[in-house]
Amino acid sequence: ELKVEQNPLFLSMQEGKNYTIYCNYSTTSDRLYWYRQDPGKSLESLFVLLSNGAVKQEGRLMASLDTKARLSTLHITAAVHDLSATYFCAVDIGGNNNDMRFGAGTRLTVKP
Amino acid sequence: GAVVSQHPSWVICKSGTSVKIECRSLDFQATTMFWYRQFPKQSLMLMATSNEGSKATYEQGVEKDKFLINHASLTLSTLTVTSAHPEDSSFYICSARPLYKAGELFFGEGSRLTVL
Repeated sequence: ELKVEQNPLFLSMQEGKNYTIYCNYSTTSDRLYWYRQDPGKSLESLFVLLSNGAVKQEGRLMASLDTKARLSTLHITAAVHDLSATYFCAVDIGGNNNDMRFGAGTRLTVKP
Repeated sequence: GAVVSQHPSWVICKSGTSVKIECRSLDFQATTMFWYRQFPKQSLMLMATSNEGSKATYEQGVEKDKFLINHASLTLSTLTVTSAHPEDSSFYICSARPLYKAGELFFGEGSRLTVL
């Protein structure tokens, strides 16, 4: 059974600091997604990683994918309060989004 | 572009009644839409895959007679929670996969259902 494990589950950090969220998965996949969810809201797509070695950056967030290690990272650079949210990674093992498994989420709080 | 709209955003109903939630792709066609539920402070759980013009594919443990899914057109899927009970209270989210962009999913705003 596919397992998608995020680490950490909760993260509190100061503004201006850097940190990395990890997403490990247990089966072969070359499609990995990162989403942001604000309280009471739906998911906002951040990154779609479709190949080994893929690296994408948007603002203070950078995501990477290592399909051999079955690991994706979401790196936060110089965090700001607006980044406070829950971040989910999701793995598509079906290749057609019909078998998407989400990690438990990382609840990030950025303090002034 | 690539907007997915859910309606209603929130609904409160009495136990035993049925509730319909709509998921529309506003500016693209989607042969496949997905329905998830999310309990507070938990992750998303895929309930079913909705295919235009055919029956939905339900995940193990999801009652197909309770959660009726109809994908009537390339831009509309509906989820009907029949004979709702308090334990059905949850946040329901749909997503749609555009025909033109493989591997991309767009999510609706979510619908919060509270069953009294």
